[in-house]
Amino acid sequence: QQQVKQSPQSLIVQKGGISIINCAYENTAFDYFPWYQQFPGKGPALLIAIRPDVSEKKEGRFTISFNKSAKQFSLHIMDSQPGDSATYFCATSGPSGRHESSGDKLTFGTGTRLAVRP
Amino acid sequence: NAGVTQTPKFQVLKTGQSMTLQCAQDMNHEYMSWYRQDPGMGLRLIHYSVGAGITDQGEVPNGYNVSRSTTEDFPLRLLSAAPSQTSVYFCASSYFPATSASSYEQYFGPGTRLTVT
Repeated sequence: QQQVKQSPQSLIVQKGGISIINCAYENTAFDYFPWYQQFPGKGPALLIAIRPDVSEKKEGRFTISFNKSAKQFSLHIMDSQPGDSATYFCATSGPSGRHESSGDKLTFGTGTRLAVRP
Repeated sequence: NAGVTQTPKFQVLKTGQSMTLQCAQDMNHEYMSWYRQDPGMGLRLIHYSVGAGITDQGEVPNGYNVSRSTTEDFPLRLLSAAPSQTSVYFCASSYFPATSASSYEQYFGPGTRLTVT
């Protein structure tokens, strides 16, 4: 059972364009929504994350938009650069703050391979 | 800080062989986990641990064992390798319990690419 659905599977964008990747989740108990970036041959690394108390978070060229009622969140990469070419994963976890053995497990989307053409 | 380290980087096994993938972290993180990454499947949680002596199953635990005798180390054992276990394996760690926004971040190792023939 896939709890996080990510689209598109792959994306080609011209340099300077906007890249948009979408994720939808099912469990309303989730309260942490990160995006991870993975370059070939490397492990994923946290790019940006949002909590549901805000609808948008921006860090440089990267923005998360969050729609709690629709249970969707998206990553926008403004002014996309060839160096942004990587695989992007959305993820969810929660509810947080519980002191039990389940921890704060992340559930990942299936990934989006982004290629930014020069 | 070395962060999260994994060994080996590459491994080829024959069906039925056993082996241990090593994972270590030097950030004093309580939470450690193992994922496998397969094309089109994203990252799937195999096993996780919230501290020394405590482990639990994730989404795809069959065929794998873990133990957590120290905070630093979290080895993953393949009991009898099968071709279906051909994958890239990632170990990750984070603070637990998370007490601030920054402490939710999971730090991933560089991965082990395993091929079972």
